[in-house]
Amino acid sequence: ETGVTQTPRHLVMGMTNKKSLKCEQHLGHNAMYWYKQSAKKPLELMFVYSLEERVENNSVPSRFSPECPNSSHLFLHLHTLQPEDSALYLCASSQSTEGRYEQYFGPGTRLTVT
Amino acid sequence: GQNIDQPTEMTATEGAIVQINCTYQTSGFNGLFWYQQHAGEAPTFLSYNVLDGLEEKGRFSSFLSRSKGYSYLLLKELQMKDSASYLCAVTDSNYQLIWGAGTKLIIKP
Repeated sequence: ETGVTQTPRHLVMGMTNKKSLKCEQHLGHNAMYWYKQSAKKPLELMFVYSLEERVENNSVPSRFSPECPNSSHLFLHLHTLQPEDSALYLCASSQSTEGRYEQYFGPGTRLTVT
Repeated sequence: GQNIDQPTEMTATEGAIVQINCTYQTSGFNGLFWYQQHAGEAPTFLSYNVLDGLEEKGRFSSFLSRSKGYSYLLLKELQMKDSASYLCAVTDSNYQLIWGAGTKLIIKP
């Protein structure tokens, strides 16, 4: 248990569906992150939030839409995805967005787009 | 561009010692992390180096040479549970974290 939870753990969706991924952290951290992890590739940072404000968006397609209603919760809304979006989506949190602080990861959502 | 290099896969024997190397080229340096990730699980923090030298933490040690852009993770007395991927990540001058692709470590009896 890292103090970061994610739901669902597995998700299969068609290209026309709309779904949302949820992340919650119980660590009192101020920063939250969405990552995409594909096989044999580095972790790809998608979005960064600091105190509910988005501070980074790494050229992510608009079919991915993040939402951070408060510092403990983070969502990733998905719509009209492509098969190449199939991957493990990881949420993480840290004390702040400064890279000196370790990140705590959730277990991830394994997404399959059919 | 910014780059982190680490071997894709390594194999070692239970009870032995293994060294996983990481080299980096980044715009500035503000620390290097090692994370462990078991198959199907989240990455978990192992170590953080910001100064040159060796940091020991039980069976695991991490070394850093900033002048060479080089780090290694040393695992001693290997156990089967150490089979996992090991991720190297560097914080650049803007305090952004740059990740390597990870090294898959296979432990054989």
